Formats: sequence, structure tokens, C-alpha cells
Amino acid sequence: QKEVEQDPGPLSVPEGAIVSLNCTYSNSAFQYFMWYRQYSRKGPELLMYTYSSGNKEDGRFTAQVDKSSKYISLFIRDSQPSDSATYLCAMVYSGAGSYQLTFGKGTKLSVIP
Amino acid sequence: NAGVMQNPRHLVRRRGQEARLRCSPMKGHSHVYWYRQLPEEGLKFMVYLQKENIIDESGMPKERFSAEFPKEGPSILRIQQVVRGDSAAYFCASSPPMSRTTDTQYFGPGTRLTVL
Repeated sequence: QKEVEQDPGPLSVPEGAIVSLNCTYSNSAFQYFMWYRQYSRKGPELLMYTYSSGNKEDGRFTAQVDKSSKYISLFIRDSQPSDSATYLCAMVYSGAGSYQLTFGKGTKLSVIP
Repeated sequence: NAGVMQNPRHLVRRRGQEARLRCSPMKGHSHVYWYRQLPEEGLKFMVYLQKENIIDESGMPKERFSAEFPKEGPSILRIQQVVRGDSAAYFCASSPPMSRTTDTQYFGPGTRLTVL
């Protein structure tokens, strides 16, 4: 079983739709969670960062963490064609001394005008 | 305020040659991470360095790969005697000094290595 599971998609939605992206993880040592957006042939760009269970909102983006279920989500409201990209979830162990990120494989999203 | 810089952006090597990838962290950042992204795969951690120190190299292949982050100049990821399986995008990320688990990493644009 991989440490971080993420459905690779592709996911295609019409403009204006609400998008839900999800990751599950197996190791409860993961304590810090991020979502990155990666456009084709570009570097990952940090979107959201959170460490506690619950919701965190930033504009059209909401990150949700459920540590009891080992499940994290990213919601995008009023999706735009410019949101078309690959979305990567990433996690960090706590207290390990090395802060390497463990990534999901990414979900490719297309928002159709 | 420049972000993380990587060069070259594209690198072509023949099998058996050496590849040198360079990373300049964001201004004020002294922690550097290298990740590799194989086609159709997620990003995989390779190595974590601070100035003049390798902190964690648990993701580095045991042979042919090395990394350094000297006191002056960029961090270098070096791949000796490249093979076709080394073809990938290599990303560098940086974070501030006194980095804690809660500090986020900022990524560069990547170097795309193609081995012929």
C-alpha cells in the first residue's frame, strides 16, 4: 500500500462547477498537509497548507483534513479554465528532523469553458 | 524578489555522460530539497541539504547520484554515467533557515533531463 493515494483522474468539469480533489494516507505520523498546483511543464506552486483537522479557506479554495479517517480534500469553488492543472497533495512527518514532502501522484483537472 | 532558480531548464545527455543540475534557493533561504518526477509518476524526495551539510539523503539512489550545497554558490545535483532511466524532471525546493516542519517549501521550475 502506498503511503499517499490520489486518484490521477483525469477530471473534467464545466466552468463554474465545484471541484473536489482527495487524498488518503496510511501513516498517522503525517501531521502537516499541503496542496500544490502544477501547470504543464512547470514547477509545483503551493496553494494551501494546513496542520489541523478541519477546514481552511482561502478565496475559492478550501482545504479539509480529517486525521481520524486519514483523508484530505481540496475544494475549488466557481472553477475557472485557468484552474486547469495537476493538483498534488503533499504531507510531512512531524518531528523527523527532515522535512521531506511525500506526494500523491496528482490529479489532472480540466475546466471546460 | 526572485524565486527558486534552476538551470539549465533542459539538459540532453548521452548515456554514460555526466549531468550537473544547479539550484539557487530563494533569497534568505538556506535549506534545499531535491525531488525527481518520472513520467506519469509523482514527485519523489531525493535529498535535503543545508549549507555545507547533507541532512537527509534517504531518497538518493545509492550509486551515481550526489548532491552538494556549498557555502557559496548554488546547490548541485550531480548524476554520473547517466542511463535512460534517469530521464525525468528534477525539481529543487527551498525553505527558510531555522526551518521547522511547519515551514513550507517553494519549488523552482525544474530541469528536464533527457538521456539519449
